[in-house]
Amino acid sequence: EVQLLESGGGLVQPGGSLRLSCAGSGFTFSTYPMAWIRQAPGKGLEWVSRIHENGANTHYADSVKGRFTISRDNSKNSLYLQMNSLRAEDTAVYYCVRDGGMATSLGDYWGQGTLVTVSS
Amino acid sequence: EVVMTQSPLSLPVTLGQPASISCTSSQSLVHSNGKIYLNWFHQRPGQSPRRLIYNASNRDSGVPDRFSGSGSGTDFTLKISRVEAEDVGVYYCMQGRQWPPYTFGQGTKLEIK
Repeated sequence: EVQLLESGGGLVQPGGSLRLSCAGSGFTFSTYPMAWIRQAPGKGLEWVSRIHENGANTHYADSVKGRFTISRDNSKNSLYLQMNSLRAEDTAVYYCVRDGGMATSLGDYWGQGTLVTVSS
Repeated sequence: EVVMTQSPLSLPVTLGQPASISCTSSQSLVHSNGKIYLNWFHQRPGQSPRRLIYNASNRDSGVPDRFSGSGSGTDFTLKISRVEAEDVGVYYCMQGRQWPPYTFGQGTKLEIK
């Protein structure tokens, strides 16, 4: 059974940093691109970032470019999101999402999400 | 950036009746490989989204056959043949043809009348 388990969310002050983690299991983690998608309270879904299977290629939404860094450790079946210079508008539930690549595109499996709250 | 537009945004439906959601993209979602990169998701209150349909018309594993997806180019439709109570929530379309960024529709909230 495919599982994605996020951790690392919490309350942080504006300008602060937070690192999210996602542990994947039940599939060959190193063969799938992975992504982060977020959802602000009461709002829709927003794609945040994507990383290639080997970690070489990364992409970001304009809203987080230069502040967030996606990475992965395939030896640990783990995905990360380093979030710096956090703003109130970054407050959201952050989902770790598997990407099916050219076969089916994004979103066949989602984690349960981790809440990030940016507030003083 | 490809803009995704859903309608309606609110959809009250009687149990057992059909429902239909439209999604329009600002650019064609057909790839040169022949695949259509349009996915549909369902999010129940308090839960993570779940993918229902990939490549415009393929049901994901475990998705009831009352759900169907159709369309090509820039116009797509999600249909529910007979709405059940568990179908309430918000439905999103998403394009994966021209990225970054992947983009989602605004969401359609289905409720039972």
